[in-house]
Amino acid sequence: QVQLQESGPGLVKPSETLSLTCAVSGYSISSGYYWGWIRQPPGKGLEWIGSIYHSGSTYYNPSLKSRVTISVDTSKNQFSLKLSSVTAADTAVYYCARRYFDWQGDYFDYWGQGTLVTVSS
Amino acid sequence: DIQMTQSPSSLSASVGDRVTITCQASQDISNYLNWYQQKPGKAPKLLIYDASNLETGVPSRFSGSGSGTDFTFTISSLQPEDIATYYCQQYDNLFTFGPGTKVDIK
Repeated sequence: QVQLQESGPGLVKPSETLSLTCAVSGYSISSGYYWGWIRQPPGKGLEWIGSIYHSGSTYYNPSLKSRVTISVDTSKNQFSLKLSSVTAADTAVYYCARRYFDWQGDYFDYWGQGTLVTVSS
Repeated sequence: DIQMTQSPSSLSASVGDRVTITCQASQDISNYLNWYQQKPGKAPKLLIYDASNLETGVPSRFSGSGSGTDFTFTISSLQPEDIATYYCQQYDNLFTFGPGTKVDIK
């Protein structure tokens, strides 16, 4: 059973960098698929942030691209998110998820439980 | 950017009712659309992929249809455990979620 677990600070100061890690168990990141981050501001909808392949290939939401870096550490079977210059608008529950794709479809099939990050001084 | 809209934004229905949610894309996305269910405090759960394919283990009362720009999600007989917010998501060009439809029991 594939499991994902987010970790990182729950409180970040404005203008600083938000850093989160997603540890994957039950599946080797090196085996394939893309791995990504999705966030959800309190009481609002879902926003895809970006995704990474085990090779390190990345693609990001254009609205966040200038501030986002996603990296992967296959030796630890985990991937990470960095979001710079945060403001209160970046306060959200951050989810990590696996992007499954084949000839039949393309979807986020396994998700972490989510972690709330609050941006406040 | 592809924008997604959903209607209604919320609805109340009785147990056993048929519930229908619509999702519209701002441009043709073929059948590149998924539906997720999110219960309070939980991560989203995939229900329907590729517009009409039921994910393994998901009850058959859930179904999806549509292609191009207009899509429909249906619960054939609403159950108490279906109380949740439902999101559509396109993957024709990157990924965009709809704003969600909150479903509760009347």
